[in-house]
This record gives sequence, C-alpha cells and structure tokens, in this order.
Amino acid sequence: SQTIHQWPATLVQPVGSPLSLECTVEGTSNPNLYWYRQAAGRGLQLLFYSVGIGQISSEVPQNLSASRPQDRQFILSSKKLLLSDSGFYLCAWSGQYNSPLHFGNGTRLTVT
Amino acid sequence: KQEVTQIPAALSVPEGENLVLNCSFTDSAIYNLQWFRQDPGKGLTSLLLIQSSQREQTSGRLNASLDKSSGRSTLYIAASQPGDSATYLCAVNAGNNRKLIWGLGTSLAVNP
Repeated sequence: SQTIHQWPATLVQPVGSPLSLECTVEGTSNPNLYWYRQAAGRGLQLLFYSVGIGQISSEVPQNLSASRPQDRQFILSSKKLLLSDSGFYLCAWSGQYNSPLHFGNGTRLTVT
Repeated sequence: KQEVTQIPAALSVPEGENLVLNCSFTDSAIYNLQWFRQDPGKGLTSLLLIQSSQREQTSGRLNASLDKSSGRSTLYIAASQPGDSATYLCAVNAGNNRKLIWGLGTSLAVNP
C-alpha cells in the first residue's frame, strides 16, 4: 500500500533562517506531488505542484521554492524565512487522471 | 470563478444521530468532487471522490451525493460516533488536481 511521510512534525525557526521540509512517498511510482499551506480561516492554498522529477509548477509567488530530486521525494525550501511563512504545511500525492489526493501529517512551522 | 461553501461551519450532535454535511459550488463544470476528513493538527484523509458523471458514492457509514445542476454535494454520516469528530472538507476539481477549489470545512463534534 502507498504511504506518505512528511517531516518534521513541528518546527520553530527564527526570521531569516533557511527552511527545508521533506516529503517522501512509498508504494507508487511517478506520483503527482503537491505542497499546500493551511492557514486558519483561509482554507488550503496550493503552493507547488510536480508531475515528475525536476518539474515544478509554482502556483503562488512567495518566499518559498520546491524541488523534486527523485521520483518520490518532494522538498519545500526557503533561503530566508519571514514571519508570514508561519503556518501548517501539507504534502500530498495523487495518481494520474484526477485520482484522490493523499496527504501527509503536516508540519507546523512557527517563525519567530 | 468557482467558489465552494460549506455550511454550517460547526456542528454538534449527540452520538447515534444521522447527519448531513453540505457543500455548495457556483460553477457546475466540474470533473469531480472530493470529501476529506481532518483531525486536529493532522493531515487530511480522503473519504470519497465522486466523478462528475456519478450521483453518489458510499463507503461504510458514509454516503456522498452530487447534484451538479444545483451545485450541491452532501456527505451523509449514519449512526454518528464520537470518533467521527473532525473537520470535514470538500474540494471541487475544476480541471485537474492543480485546480482544486476548497471549502473551509465543517467542524463536527459528536458527543457521547
């Protein structure tokens, strides 16, 4: 069966520090991968989308970037965090042809 | 522009009740509609996906219906249990999973 791993679960970082969140998927090949941010009262916001290795689509201009160095690995990064980057970050995968999304357990990021 | 609304924002019911959660959308041109569950501080769990050509989908005590002409979907939960307490979100697929439009969710509390 397919599983998705996302870490760390919580993270507290000072303003201006770098960020790296990692997500890996097991049990499937060539998944579509997603990074979402969830803010209270504002719903889920798609940040990045990837259909394959090295293929990244950015949905919202921001202080963040994403990379997909391997088929089932998706990384969210920042060179310098802002206070506004605080939030709950979720990684997800899906198969092809609009199949259901499957989410990781999320990372609660607090920028101080 | 597609908009997704979930009413009520919060719902509290006694254990054993059958209940209905609502999801409405403004544009009937959809590919599918997905229902998710989110426990506090956790990621989302996919519950049901209804294709645009389908009227309903069932999984255990859950039944989701779709009426594109009226722009509505309902999630029916039979014989509710305290373990059903969570936030339930619906998402409308407007073209592919990159174009999921999310509702803000209904927070459900099932009281023993």
